[in-house]
Amino acid sequence: IAGITQAPTSQILAAGRRMTLRCTQDMRHNAMYWYRQDLGLGLRLIHYSNTAGTTGKGEVPDGYSVSRANTDDFPLTLASAVPSQTSVYFCASSDEAGGYNEQFFGPGTRLTVL
Amino acid sequence: GQNIDQPTEMTATEGAIVQINCTYQTSGFNGLFWYQQHAGEAPTFLSYNVLDGLEEKGRFSSFLSRSKGYSYLLLKELQMKDSASYLCAVTNNDYKLSFGAGTTVTVRA
Repeated sequence: IAGITQAPTSQILAAGRRMTLRCTQDMRHNAMYWYRQDLGLGLRLIHYSNTAGTTGKGEVPDGYSVSRANTDDFPLTLASAVPSQTSVYFCASSDEAGGYNEQFFGPGTRLTVL
Repeated sequence: GQNIDQPTEMTATEGAIVQINCTYQTSGFNGLFWYQQHAGEAPTFLSYNVLDGLEEKGRFSSFLSRSKGYSYLLLKELQMKDSASYLCAVTNNDYKLSFGAGTTVTVRA
């Protein structure tokens, strides 16, 4: 693994189903983030983690949960998917949570909820 | 919260210069980033400005005026591979990034 990876690449999901999007980084970054990207709205922060063991809510957290059991992994769970959660999801990481730290993005997961 | 505005689309000719403007309103300010995103790919870092002035990196330059809440990204000697979306993002006192909707730049031969 080099950098940050996400799985699956894409997924079609029935409404009401539970889904976990996986994110793993091998850069030993302390901070990790989940964004969703929708046409015309740009990237919006869902949840973040400044360091292993801590998480926080971003701009659009409703319907999503995260955990950060270790430094490398930051899964995003949709407990009961709804069509409005159809989007492209990007995981990102940065060395620290400070404002000057460049964020590195994973390749994204394209999720369709029907 | 943040209010970040940038043009939706711009078109330019190969070899030319394009300037992408970004204006922002924020309750606190700790820096402004520009990211490049090719269609279907992840955003990648281009530049970071926290002090007023111009930062130059090869063909790309980024300018910031904190008092005016204004930044621009200047792309010189445009190449076809520069066709992409350019995302302006502001970080405030809680160190979280807020992104504009992005500017899609199309480079024509």
